[in-house]
Amino acid sequence: AQKVTQAQTEISVVEKEDVTLDCVYETRDTTYYLFWYKQPPSGELVFLIRRNSFDEQNEISGRYSWNFQKSTSSFNFTITASQVVDSAVYFCALSGLMEYGNKLVFGAGTILRVKS
Amino acid sequence: KAGVTQTPRYLIKTRGQQVTLSCSPISGHRSVSWYQQTPGQGLQFLFEYFSETQRNKGNFPGRFSGRQFSNSRSEMNVSTLELGDSALYLCASGSGSDEQYFGPGTRLTVT
Repeated sequence: AQKVTQAQTEISVVEKEDVTLDCVYETRDTTYYLFWYKQPPSGELVFLIRRNSFDEQNEISGRYSWNFQKSTSSFNFTITASQVVDSAVYFCALSGLMEYGNKLVFGAGTILRVKS
Repeated sequence: KAGVTQTPRYLIKTRGQQVTLSCSPISGHRSVSWYQQTPGQGLQFLFEYFSETQRNKGNFPGRFSGRQFSNSRSEMNVSTLELGDSALYLCASGSGSDEQYFGPGTRLTVT
């Protein structure tokens, strides 16, 4: 069975601080995909990134960066120089081979509060 | 390109009633998935439709059903509503082997 654990329920930081959101996953699949989504108060899930299990390269997109470590089954997300607009709930998710169906297993989410 | 649309956005129903929610995917996407989000259970997968066929199903009772039309639009139906069905229902659109894009959701309140 697939499982995603986001141990941090809530994180509060002051603007301009860096913050890392942790994600640990479990799966028996050899091919799988990992995702991060952002959910602002409006409720819509906003896609941030998708990585497949064969691509362990870290990725940076502006102030966002992701660290994928297969050895520890982790896919952590770092926001550099946080801003108030980053306040949201962040979800890490896992899926198997997508050609056989799109079923995302989500973690419980981490509430990020960025204070000015 | 227009995003995923869901209607209605808000809905209030009474226990025992039934409800139908609608989702229009991104043009060209053939996969539509439904998720239920509650404070207690988080985000849970309901089912996925691809080219009018149910491809995956989550662990929900038979009161939850869905279908997909030839234009890829999808509906989900919940019969005999219970208080615990109060949730945000999210629809996701995908091309079949790519990331999924979510709609704004339908917030269902059962009283």
